[in-house]
Amino acid sequence: QLQLQESGPGLLEPSETLSLTCAVSGFSISSGYYWGWIRQPPGKGLEWIGNLYHSGTTYYNPSLESRLTMSVDTSKNHFSLKLRSVTAADTAVYYCARALTGDLAYFDYWGQGTLVTVSS
Amino acid sequence: SYELTQPPSVSVSPGQTATITCSGDKLGDKYACWYQQKPGQSPILVIYQDSKRPSGIPERFSGSNSGNTATLTISGTQAMDEADYYCQAWDSSTYVFGPGTKVTVL
Repeated sequence: QLQLQESGPGLLEPSETLSLTCAVSGFSISSGYYWGWIRQPPGKGLEWIGNLYHSGTTYYNPSLESRLTMSVDTSKNHFSLKLRSVTAADTAVYYCARALTGDLAYFDYWGQGTLVTVSS
Repeated sequence: SYELTQPPSVSVSPGQTATITCSGDKLGDKYACWYQQKPGQSPILVIYQDSKRPSGIPERFSGSNSGNTATLTISGTQAMDEADYYCQAWDSSTYVFGPGTKVTVL
């Protein structure tokens, strides 16, 4: 049974770097799927952040690309997100998910999400 | 950038049919999918590739996509279907989500 679990600090100050990791269990991260991050500000809708493949290929949301780095560690079967120079607008629940990319793009397995609050 | 629009809310009586629309320019030329999200929970994929249901999703959920509009239909709506529903499509190498529709079962 595929499971995803996000981890990382829940509270950041403005200008810091948000770092999250998604641990994948029950499925090899190298098995031909993309892996993605999606966020949801409190009370608002879903926003795609970016996707990556185990080879290192990435797709980023253009609105976040300048602050964003995603990476994968196949030996640990996890992938990570770094978002630099955070502001209060980055406060959200962050989800990791398994993804199909391209014309059939969708997210079929999601983690439980982790709340990240940016506040001084 | 590509945009998807959804009605903010839809109300339906138990046992009736709920219809949720998602509109975008030539959306019918793309594949649409739908997610259900209940309060405090992660989204769940309920329809992909316009009309396919993942394993475990009840048959009362169905989808279609033509022209500029994708539609999620919940037949015989149950109280447990009360949730937010988001459509999503792929455009210019990005995932685009609709703003979401709150379905209330009265």
